[in-house]
Amino acid sequence: DAGVIQSPRHEVTEMGQEVTLRCKPISGHNSLFWYRQTMMRGLELLIYFNNNVPIDDSGMPEDRFSAKMPNASFSTLKIQPSEPRDSAVYFCASSREVGLYGYTFGSGTRLTVV
Amino acid sequence: DQQVKQNSPSLSVQEGRISILNCDYTNSMFDYFLWYKKYPAEGPTFLISISSIKDKNEDGRFTVFLNKSAKHLSLHIVPSQPGDSAVYFCAASVRGSEKLVFGKGTKLTVNP
Repeated sequence: DAGVIQSPRHEVTEMGQEVTLRCKPISGHNSLFWYRQTMMRGLELLIYFNNNVPIDDSGMPEDRFSAKMPNASFSTLKIQPSEPRDSAVYFCASSREVGLYGYTFGSGTRLTVV
Repeated sequence: DQQVKQNSPSLSVQEGRISILNCDYTNSMFDYFLWYKKYPAEGPTFLISISSIKDKNEDGRFTVFLNKSAKHLSLHIVPSQPGDSAVYFCAASVRGSEKLVFGKGTKLTVNP
């Protein structure tokens, strides 16, 4: 089991550019989550999918953010256009059953928008 | 509105002593409470959890205590080791919900 795989690990982009973050969840996990970590706000849930369907996107900060899950093994988080305040670490996580077992997180993508 | 709060941003402990990390919550509907550990440049990893029907769960050096009346939980690490140095996140969820609500984390430093 390779765990949750995120790419890229680091992304530096200029303000106004489009950024796409990618995630491959653990096979057999039916829920996928996108989190953002900042010093000020800690770990914030942006959006989550269940069986590839978006269930709750209330954490998505603005229309500049969008997420898709075209199949059970792939998800993307897109920011267009990017702004310096989007700089953060973005984590993808997946789970089969949250309860007492929680999620398995990927290693994250550190995004820097200059 | 922060439903899960970790009021201590950092904690420093000597190797071999006990580390106590605290967490408070406001939502009495939470059924599950989890602790995650995070090393730099890595994602958070699950450490230990407890159901709201229990008041203690132990796994090796790690014990989580839950006080529902005070809406408070704590993680005890005994004895602390330098490899325990990390950021610890408290999280909670409601039964049937997929969403975990996280605290902001406490950075633990265990000094040799």
